[in-house]
Amino acid sequence: KAGVTQTPRYLIKTRGQQVTLSCSPISGHRSVSWYQQTPGQGLQFLFEYFSETQRNKGNFPGRFSGRQFSNSRSEMNVSTLELGDSALYLCASSWGTSGVGEQFFGPGTRLTVL
Amino acid sequence: GENVEQHPSTLSVQEGDSAVIKCTYSDSASNYFPWYKQELGKRPQLIIDIRSNVGEKKDQRIAVTLNKTAKHFSLHITETQPEDSAVYFCAASTSGSRLTFGEGTQLTVNP
Repeated sequence: KAGVTQTPRYLIKTRGQQVTLSCSPISGHRSVSWYQQTPGQGLQFLFEYFSETQRNKGNFPGRFSGRQFSNSRSEMNVSTLELGDSALYLCASSWGTSGVGEQFFGPGTRLTVL
Repeated sequence: GENVEQHPSTLSVQEGDSAVIKCTYSDSASNYFPWYKQELGKRPQLIIDIRSNVGEKKDQRIAVTLNKTAKHFSLHITETQPEDSAVYFCAASTSGSRLTFGEGTQLTVNP
């Protein structure tokens, strides 16, 4: 079974631009969560989507948004990029039902904001 | 919200020794505690997890213990090998989908 995939793997943007990242979960998984990883802040939860609905949200500004499609693929968007948005963005998929369950991470998208 | 603290931030051991990493959490409602291993440039990979109805879980050289009363859990790696060198993250969750991570521990196993 194919693992979680993310595209693109690397992105370079300038301040003020916007960016869209994509995540394809493991087949059958209906939950996709997004995390931001930085050396200073570690791994922080952005949001989770389940069956095309945002089910959980972290403490990030409204510039960070996401969506999920009917095939469970998910995208996250960051508008008006700031230097501090430079990070590794990881998505993770899980079955999403019956309470807790293992999350499988994708390889991440490395975003650099200049 | 949930807060997870992890210690130590760096740990260096000799090959064959044991390594212990400790985490504490703040939300008594947390019921799922996974541990992830992240090698340089790679994705985090789950190595073991424990649920709140279990006090200890073991998988070959890796074990995790949970003390709900004290709100702390620990990772134990025995007979360490150089390939165990990586950053280890603990996490806690009340919902399963929202993981709150510790700051990470850089484990170095010296041959």
